[in-house]
Amino acid sequence: ILNVEQSPQSLHVQEGDSTNFTCSFPSSNFYALHWYRWETAKSPEALFVMTLNGDEKKKGRISATLNTKEGYSYLYIKGSQPEDSATYLCAFPNTGNQFYFGTGTSLTVIP
Amino acid sequence: DTGVSQNPRHKITKRGQNVTFRCDPISEHNRLYWYRQTLGQGPEFLTYFQNEAQLEKSRLLSDRFSAERPKGSFSTLEIQRTEQGDSAMYLCASSLEVQTVAKNIQYFGAGTRLSVL
Repeated sequence: ILNVEQSPQSLHVQEGDSTNFTCSFPSSNFYALHWYRWETAKSPEALFVMTLNGDEKKKGRISATLNTKEGYSYLYIKGSQPEDSATYLCAFPNTGNQFYFGTGTSLTVIP
Repeated sequence: DTGVSQNPRHKITKRGQNVTFRCDPISEHNRLYWYRQTLGQGPEFLTYFQNEAQLEKSRLLSDRFSAERPKGSFSTLEIQRTEQGDSAMYLCASSLEVQTVAKNIQYFGAGTRLSVL
């Protein structure tokens, strides 16, 4: 069983604030790192699949960076909006087939 | 809607009963995953199919759990002799084999929430 940790566990920000959270994973045997967004009563939705050290990906106001040598990824949200409220999960596949998810960061954006 | 479909959305059962959940993946996806998520935790990997072959199964999965994907399309997850500790959200995901499993984006269903009384 691999240890994938996310911090903080929960976050409340005001609308318009920028925020970021962290996913830590084992730095050895790296294959990929996935980020998902899970809104209440909906399906988890893929945001990014990151594969290379130094990767930076962007989707609208959301971006992510990857450091495979030290085993962490950051997710940034610029100018948070209420519709960004969700749980953000990272997932780390081992040997490629089993995906280990972190416990998630629950983001609440207050209007 | 051509997304991943799971049925039922909610299931309430009494301890000791058997339950079966169904997952219909996106039609062209050959990979299918089952996860379990309990309160305050991230999804926990249960098992993985490539077409009809079950290629991975978590060591955490007890013998009371079995999954099938008989024709490489829909899948069922059965829990026999349910226990209160089985209460959780059961998620299904599918992906298309375009490269290694690790890089494939998974598309999730909305899950089946099981409550064992």
